[in-house]
Amino acid sequence: DTGVSQDPRHKITKRGQNVTFRCDPISEHNRLYWYRQTLGQGPEFLTYFQNEAQLEKSRLLSDRFSAERPKGSFSTLEIQRTEQGDSAMYLCASSLSPGLNAEAFFGQGTRLTVV
Amino acid sequence: AQKVTQAQTEISVVEKEDVTLDCVYETRDTTYYLFWYKQPPSGELVFLIRRNSFDEQNEISGRYSWNFQKSTSSFNFTITASQVVDSAVYFCALRGAGGTSYGKLTFGQGTILTVHP
Repeated sequence: DTGVSQDPRHKITKRGQNVTFRCDPISEHNRLYWYRQTLGQGPEFLTYFQNEAQLEKSRLLSDRFSAERPKGSFSTLEIQRTEQGDSAMYLCASSLSPGLNAEAFFGQGTRLTVV
Repeated sequence: AQKVTQAQTEISVVEKEDVTLDCVYETRDTTYYLFWYKQPPSGELVFLIRRNSFDEQNEISGRYSWNFQKSTSSFNFTITASQVVDSAVYFCALRGAGGTSYGKLTFGQGTILTVHP
């Protein structure tokens, strides 16, 4: 499978616990994005990486959120001290270079439920 | 700031009907790209089309067609002779070229399309 892969697909956690999601982009893609999608809404941008450098973070990304892409390949998104409001689908996407015409390919997402 | 508005929250049609999904956008960038994505129940966003701000030609791909009108900042999507398999959530998105908008997608709220047999 050469698409964007996300793990796990589903995660149920208790409020206050930490969770970590993983994204494996398409191998030759140097850009990697994280988005969050709540029920009935479109995806909202969280952050993106150009290779291993995190170039931008949305205001949506509170201090409890951290993302890494240590070797410019896979990425992790960690949420500390989860809250019920963190329940959402977390989508990862990747694309080639920063060219505007480079389409982003999305993974199937990780659905987080905080109880 | 960029904004994408999809005025139709839900649309329900009977198979073989034509259906148009509306999209209106706002951006200060002179160069930008518009996209449509389909999200089936599995959750993955499937790319359908990309259109740049300098190309206002309409495009047709099978049963799908897109109408880009820069004068009204609209990028509407029409499905001809709809099928049950077209049932999904459809998102319009914008990617700009200026400042912090560079490279990232701004999505609309989505339109839920249900095609009944």
